[in-house]
Amino acid sequence: DTAVSQTPKYLVTQMGNDKSIKCEQNLGHDTMYWYKQDSKKFLKIMFSYNNKELIINETVPNRFSPKSPDKAHLNLHINSLELGDSAVYFCASSQEGGISNQPQHFGDGTRLSIL
Amino acid sequence: AQSVTQLDSHVSVSEGTPVLLRCNYSSSYSPSLFWYVQHPNKGLQLLLKYTSAATLVKGINGFEAEFKKSETSFHLTKPSAHMSDAAEYFCVVSDGGTDKLIFGTGTRLQVFP
Repeated sequence: DTAVSQTPKYLVTQMGNDKSIKCEQNLGHDTMYWYKQDSKKFLKIMFSYNNKELIINETVPNRFSPKSPDKAHLNLHINSLELGDSAVYFCASSQEGGISNQPQHFGDGTRLSIL
Repeated sequence: AQSVTQLDSHVSVSEGTPVLLRCNYSSSYSPSLFWYVQHPNKGLQLLLKYTSAATLVKGINGFEAEFKKSETSFHLTKPSAHMSDAAEYFCVVSDGGTDKLIFGTGTRLQVFP
């Protein structure tokens, strides 16, 4: 059973397009996250949601819009894709938000390539 | 503000020899620290975490890390490397009071037969 699953695993598209990445967790966690990993493997948080409410928004361009229909899902929609959006996007979840010692469980990533 | 510095971008060892991956942290109060491992084309997996209990933390796959406040270090060690340990390792500090993780730049571990 996959704990945190993301789809698609690979996404190749052209500049200017709009695309979505889906994430689901079956761990019963309250908090979900999106991270971006660049070509140098640097990981940075983008958003976190706790029980469908936005908690962290790390000055990400407003072309990126997360949506959490329920606490088990956190989707990421990206409008007007740019070359700089090429990266690996990771979804993660943790049991309780706002508690610094809770480990986060990661999905396998979505590799987004912009042509 | 919290931060972590991974002192080596690459570490190469022979199979069966010890592994040392170095990490220094900066925090204005008692931090929560983690080591995560990322295998190729995979997500991150938690190896171990320190949360102000024992300073020597044991993790999965024979890894352990020691929290040294005087040196602001949290180095990851393993007595004997295995080929399957080859991966990218991230030292991570939690932004205290929130669940925001701050990642180091990663150390790529290569294991030679």
